[in-house]
Amino acid sequence: SQTIHQWPATLVQPVGSPLSLECTVEGTSNPNLYWYRQAAGRGLQLLFYSVGIGQISSEVPQNLSASRPQDRQFILSSKKLLLSDSGFYLCAWSAGAGGYGYTFGSGTRLTVV
Amino acid sequence: AQSVTQLGSHVSVSEGALVLLRCNYSSSVPPYLFWYVQYPNQGLQLLLKYTSAATLVKGINGFEAEFKKSETSFHLTKPSAHMSDAAEYFCAVSGTLNTGFQKLVFGTGTRLLVSP
Repeated sequence: SQTIHQWPATLVQPVGSPLSLECTVEGTSNPNLYWYRQAAGRGLQLLFYSVGIGQISSEVPQNLSASRPQDRQFILSSKKLLLSDSGFYLCAWSAGAGGYGYTFGSGTRLTVV
Repeated sequence: AQSVTQLGSHVSVSEGALVLLRCNYSSSVPPYLFWYVQYPNQGLQLLLKYTSAATLVKGINGFEAEFKKSETSFHLTKPSAHMSDAAEYFCAVSGTLNTGFQKLVFGTGTRLLVSP
């Protein structure tokens, strides 16, 4: 069966520090991968998605970047965090087109102080 | 383009009462529709999905939803609320275009509060 792992679960980082959040998927190949952010009191904002290794699409301009160095690995990064980067970050995968839906990771709570 | 509207950011019910969470969608192609549940500090979990088979879809934890094309709705219901149902619920839509990529568009969520 397929599983998705996301870490760390919580993170407190000072303003201006770098960020690296990692997500891996097991039990499938060539998944579509997604990074979402939930800010307090707001809905889900799609940040990046990837349909293959090295293929990254950005939904909104921001202080973050994403990379996909391996088929089942998706990394969210920042060189210098801002206070506004605080939020709950979710990784997800899907099997492609059709009615599969997404499977989400357990999320990372990022607090920038 | 697809979109969903969830009516009511908060819904309060008593334990044992009917749960009704509303979702209306907009889609230029036949849609796939989903309901997800999120408990505090956790990821989203799929409750149920509509993929153009039966219009009444049954999901986990006793939830069900009915696809009504004429009303462009996909409301989530449960006959009797449990305290454990307190969570945030998200409706989502995607198109059926076979592009090899599925983009879900999520609603803003409805927080369900269950009182004893």
